[in-house]
Amino acid sequence: DQQVKQNSPSLSVQEGRISILNCDYTNSMFDYFLWYKKYPAEGPTFLISISSIKDKNEDGRFTVFLNKSAKHLSLHIVPSQPGDSAVYFCGSSGSARQLTFGSGTQLTVLP
Amino acid sequence: EPEVTQTPSHQVTQMGQEVILRCVPISNHLYFYWYRQILGQKVEFLVSFYNNEISEKSEIFDDQFSVERPDGSNFTLKIRSTKLEDSAMYFCASTEERNTGELFFGEGSRLTVL
Repeated sequence: DQQVKQNSPSLSVQEGRISILNCDYTNSMFDYFLWYKKYPAEGPTFLISISSIKDKNEDGRFTVFLNKSAKHLSLHIVPSQPGDSAVYFCGSSGSARQLTFGSGTQLTVLP
Repeated sequence: EPEVTQTPSHQVTQMGQEVILRCVPISNHLYFYWYRQILGQKVEFLVSFYNNEISEKSEIFDDQFSVERPDGSNFTLKIRSTKLEDSAMYFCASTEERNTGELFFGEGSRLTVL
């Protein structure tokens, strides 16, 4: 039962362009949706979140969009930088405060 | 900046042996977690811990697993009798008491079961 799905295992983008990472979820009871970034041999690092009552949250180069009717979440990174190359996990959080992660998308930003 | 620290960074053990992974969460945090990531797979929730007891656990967290916080600082994950399929990266995380899902993860402990 995959409650959070990331259907693209990888994405390559040219430096300076926009990166769009996508995520779908099935459980409408989640309170928060989050994006985490993970480098090899490191733990996931929180990037940005959005409450289920909002449809957009922006933090610098990172914007998260939430489409509740489609149960779809996306992360936009603009402009993309080579240092953004990492695995990005979307996650969802409910009353139990535990995170349910998607399978991740490897973003490669080409110089 | 405060951080979650984990030891050991890498442990190799024989199948059937007991393993203890240790974590020092951020000092003012109240909720503690263990997650694991098998190579090439997603990060999976194992267990959450609050007020000195387990609050949630996943199907993965069977009787071979246990957690405790014996001294108010260390948060440990014990695997009683390791199996080959326990080989994974184990991440500890902690958070303050709020329902945002923003967890602070340690760098992980790699467990290799031979």
